[in-house]
Amino acid sequence: AQTVTQSQPEMSVQEAETVTLSCTYDTSESDYYLFWYKQPPSRQMILVIRQEAYKQQNATENRFSVNFQKAAKSFSLKISDSQLGDAAMYFCAYRRPGTASKLTFGTGTRLQVTL
Amino acid sequence: GAVVSQHPSWVICKSGTSVKIECRSLDFQATTMFWYRQFPKQSLMLMATSNEGSKATYEQGVEKDKFLINHASLTLSTLTVTSAHPEDSSFYICSARDPKAGGPIGELFFGEGSRLTVL
Repeated sequence: AQTVTQSQPEMSVQEAETVTLSCTYDTSESDYYLFWYKQPPSRQMILVIRQEAYKQQNATENRFSVNFQKAAKSFSLKISDSQLGDAAMYFCAYRRPGTASKLTFGTGTRLQVTL
Repeated sequence: GAVVSQHPSWVICKSGTSVKIECRSLDFQATTMFWYRQFPKQSLMLMATSNEGSKATYEQGVEKDKFLINHASLTLSTLTVTSAHPEDSSFYICSARDPKAGGPIGELFFGEGSRLTVL
C-alpha cells in the first residue's frame, strides 16, 4: 500500500521569506501523480500544484514550486515570497494512474506566516 | 475552475437519528466521487469511493450499513450516516472527479465539507 509521510507537523515563515515543506512517499509503482493541497481555515481543499512522476522537470505554479526526487521518493514544496494568505494546512498526496484512483494524503503540515 | 458543493455545511443531530449529506458537481459530470472523513487536526481518511449507477466501494474498517452512499446521478452523491452516535461527529468532505480536467486521470475537486455534531 502506498504511504505518504510529512515529518513537519508545523512550520513558520516570515512574510516575504521562503519556506520548504517536506514530503516522502512509498510506492512500488513507476507511474503515479503527486500533489500538494492547501486547506485554509475555511476547510475547503485547494490544489496548489501537481507533478506527474514521468516528468523529470519540477512543476512550478507562480510562487509555488516542487523538488521532485523520484529515486529518493521525495516531493517537497517551496513557497517563495510567503504571504499571510498562505497560512493553512498543507497536505501532500499521492495518486495512482486510473480514472477511479483515490488520493492518499499525508498527515499535513500547518504553516504559520508571521509579520 | 470546477465547483463541487456540499450541503449542509454543518448539522447537529440527536443520537440515534440519521443524517444525509449531499455532494454535487455543479458544472461537470462526475462518474466517480470520493467521501473522506477528517478529525480535528488530522488528515483526510478515505471512507468510500462512490460510482455512478453502481455500489460504492468502501475502505477497510468502514461500516457499509452505517455510512450509506448513493450515487444516483452524474452530478449527485449522498452520504447518509445512519443511527448516528457522538463518535460519528466529524468533518466529512467529498471530492468529485472531472474527467475533462487534469489530463487522462481527471482532476479531483473538493466540496466545502460538512461538519456533523451528534449530541
